[in-house]
Amino acid sequence: KAGVTQTPRYLIKTRGQQVTLSCSPISGHRSVSWYQQTPGQGLQFLFEYFSETQRNKGNFPGRFSGRQFSNSRSEMNVSTLELGDSALYLCASSLGGGEYEQYFGPGTRLTVT
Amino acid sequence: GQQLNQSPQSMFIQEGEDVSMNCTSSSIFNTWLWYKQDPGEGPVLLIALYKAGELTSNGRLTAQFGITRKDSFLNISASIPSDVGIYFCAGLRGGGADGLTFGKGTHLIIQP
Repeated sequence: KAGVTQTPRYLIKTRGQQVTLSCSPISGHRSVSWYQQTPGQGLQFLFEYFSETQRNKGNFPGRFSGRQFSNSRSEMNVSTLELGDSALYLCASSLGGGEYEQYFGPGTRLTVT
Repeated sequence: GQQLNQSPQSMFIQEGEDVSMNCTSSSIFNTWLWYKQDPGEGPVLLIALYKAGELTSNGRLTAQFGITRKDSFLNISASIPSDVGIYFCAGLRGGGADGLTFGKGTHLIIQP
């Protein structure tokens, strides 16, 4: 069974721009969660989508948003990029509905200059 | 956001030695997960724990869900070079409202 895939793997953007990251979950998984990983703050929860609905949200500003499609694929958008948004963005999928084992993709490395 | 207290931060050990690391929290978690992350990759799930007191093994890895539900432990026996990496604990509260809460990681370095 194929694992979680994320595209692109690397991105370089300029301050003020916006960016969209994509995540395809493991086949059959209906929940997709997004995390930000930085050296200073570690891994932090952004939000979770289940059946096309945002179910949970972490403590991040409204510039960070996401959506999920009917095939469970998810996108994350960051608008008005700041230097501090440079990070590894990871998505994780799980069966959802009480199944808590989350499986991570390889991440998208975003650099904001 | 809240993070788990994971220790040690790093470990320098000899190949063949056993390794122990732990995570503690002031809050109760219903699920504990242990992950390993290699450079440039996403975390890989090693062990999942669902019940207080539960002891689970995965090959040379053994993890335990603390009785108080506020801590968890991971042991690696007879370490080998491919065990090098960063190990993270992660906790999940009931309903998953906050997503996974992660520790800062234990960086394992093995000297041949």
